Amino acid sequence: KAGVTQTPRYLIKTRGQQVTLSCSPISGHRSVSWYQQTPGQGLQFLFEYFSETQRNKGNFPGRFSGRQFSNSRSEMNVSTLELGDSALYLCASSLGGRNQPQHFGDGTRLSIL
Amino acid sequence: SQQGEEDPQALSIQEGENATMNCSYKTSINNLQWYRQNSGRGLVHLILIRSNEREKHSGRLRVTLDTSKKSSSLLITASRAADTASYFCATDAAGGSYIPTFGRGTSLIVHP
Repeated sequence: KAGVTQTPRYLIKTRGQQVTLSCSPISGHRSVSWYQQTPGQGLQFLFEYFSETQRNKGNFPGRFSGRQFSNSRSEMNVSTLELGDSALYLCASSLGGRNQPQHFGDGTRLSIL
Repeated sequence: SQQGEEDPQALSIQEGENATMNCSYKTSINNLQWYRQNSGRGLVHLILIRSNEREKHSGRLRVTLDTSKKSSSLLITASRAADTASYFCATDAAGGSYIPTFGRGTSLIVHP
């Protein structure tokens, strides 16, 4: 069974630009969550999508948005990039629901110049 | 905000020794999970322990949960150099969404 795939693995952008990150979950998983990981703040929850609907949302500004397609693949978009958006963005998939482990991809390393 | 906090922040041991990491949390939980992250990689799920369980084992891993003290521990026995990684606890708060909240992690270095 293929794992969670995130593309691209590395990305360099400049302030003010926008970026789209992609995540393909494990086959059969309908829940996709996004996290931002930085040395200072640790792992912060962005949002979760289940069956194409945003079901949970963290405390991030509206510049961070996402969507999920009918095949459960998900994209995350960040607009008007700031230096502080430099981070490792991780996607995790699960069956969705309590007591379900999350399966993570290897992330997209985003660097803002 | 972090619900779980791991202790110690960093741990350095020799191969063959046991490694113990602790996690404390603030509110009641449905379950607590432990994950491992190797440098530059995603997190890997290790163990999930439910609030009504006290201990779980998986290979060389042993997790305990003390809900009265709001704490958990992860024991890795007979550590190997390949166990070098960061270890995170994640809690699913009772009454909240099931989205786990992660701590800042314990960085474990196992010297060969």
